Amino acid sequence: ELKVEQNPLFLSMQEGKNYTIYCNYSTTSDRLYWYRQDPGKSLESLFVLLSNGAVKQEGRLMASLDTKARLSTLHITAAVHDLSATYFCAVDMDTGANSKLTFGKGITLSVRP
Amino acid sequence: DVKVTQSSRYLVKRTGEKVFLECVQDMDHENMFWYRQDPGLGLRLIYFSYDVKMKEKGDIPEGYSVSREKKERFSLILESASTNQTSMYLCASSFLTGSGANVLTFGAGSRLTVL
Repeated sequence: ELKVEQNPLFLSMQEGKNYTIYCNYSTTSDRLYWYRQDPGKSLESLFVLLSNGAVKQEGRLMASLDTKARLSTLHITAAVHDLSATYFCAVDMDTGANSKLTFGKGITLSVRP
Repeated sequence: DVKVTQSSRYLVKRTGEKVFLECVQDMDHENMFWYRQDPGLGLRLIYFSYDVKMKEKGDIPEGYSVSREKKERFSLILESASTNQTSMYLCASSFLTGSGANVLTFGAGSRLTVL
């Protein structure tokens, strides 16, 4: 059974500082996804990482994937209030038409002045 | 933009009632999914479907069934609702890109309360 773990589950960040959050998974996969959820809203796709060493950046967020370590990191540069949200990572268990995503529990980020 | 529409944002039902949650997507996606989201537990997959009339159990299918009679519509059915099925239900659809990515597009969610 695939397990996806995120830590920490809650992170209070200070504006302007850098932070890194982590996503570990338990079985071989080279497809990892990051989603963002704002309070009361649904999930939106942030990043798609499809190979070992993949790195994607969008604004102050940068995601990377190490398939050998079964680890993805989401780095936040100079945190701002707009980044306050819950971030989920998800891993593909199968490839092909029957692909399904297993999600972590999510990390809630709160940026304070 | 792909749209995934869930018919009800909020429902209140009584224990033992039959509950239908409807989901429609408008971009001809092959794959559709039902997840439930609970505080501290993240998203858990209930059922998914990769084709019309096809369905696959997810991680927590007990107490649920699904129906996919048309490609655009995927329904989640609670045959006899129980209080432990009080949750936020999220529908999603996707297709596989040429690179093998399976990016889900989610609906707004249906918050079900079972009394």
